[in-house]
Amino acid sequence: DAKTTQPNSMESNEEEPVHLPCNHSTISGTDYIHWYRQLPSQGPEYVIHGLTSNVNNRMASLAIAEDRKSSTLILHRATLRDAAVYYCMPVASSGYALNFGKGTSLLVTP
Amino acid sequence: DSGVTQTPKHLITATGQRVTLRCSPRSGDLSVYWYQQSLDQGLQFLIQYYNGEERAKGNILERFSAQQFPDLHSELNLSSLELGDSALYFCASSVQGRAGPPPDTQYFGPGTRLTVL
Repeated sequence: DAKTTQPNSMESNEEEPVHLPCNHSTISGTDYIHWYRQLPSQGPEYVIHGLTSNVNNRMASLAIAEDRKSSTLILHRATLRDAAVYYCMPVASSGYALNFGKGTSLLVTP
Repeated sequence: DSGVTQTPKHLITATGQRVTLRCSPRSGDLSVYWYQQSLDQGLQFLIQYYNGEERAKGNILERFSAQQFPDLHSELNLSSLELGDSALYFCASSVQGRAGPPPDTQYFGPGTRLTVL
């Protein structure tokens, strides 16, 4: 599986946009890019995924670089409930194990 | 609530013992995954089952085993427990257990916290 690099931590003010970067320079052409997050004392939860094009859903937007070597998760208006560890993961089409890595711990302040 | 249930919520046991963790997937999901989360190793994939058959194996120790039953619930058996096995164990489920296209979404349960004394 491709290796990922994410900042250890980021901080945002409530109701402001947050851009969470992820570098996955060794991604394969058929790997999907998945984002999950883990709220305190909970199991991980799915956020969004994409292959080549930018994606939007009710939780967030995913911007994928043209060369697919990096992506950015965008939370349009951070809320206190968005404080979590965010994980970016390319997933090989040959399997479906999620390799979580260390993720980015997002702190949201009022 | 993801729809995935795990029992028990907490488990405290002694070294050398054996425990069984249980997972019920979301209704309609055929694939079950087990993950271990510890402070030093983070979240690690252990094993995946699809419709009763083992599909993928990760960093699962030989002392650990799992199975998925005909009703699709799964059990993770941990034996000869060591202090280092203390961790949160998560179960996840998905519809088909494939990476794509399009990929399944994995839904995670609340976890079982295992403490080995």
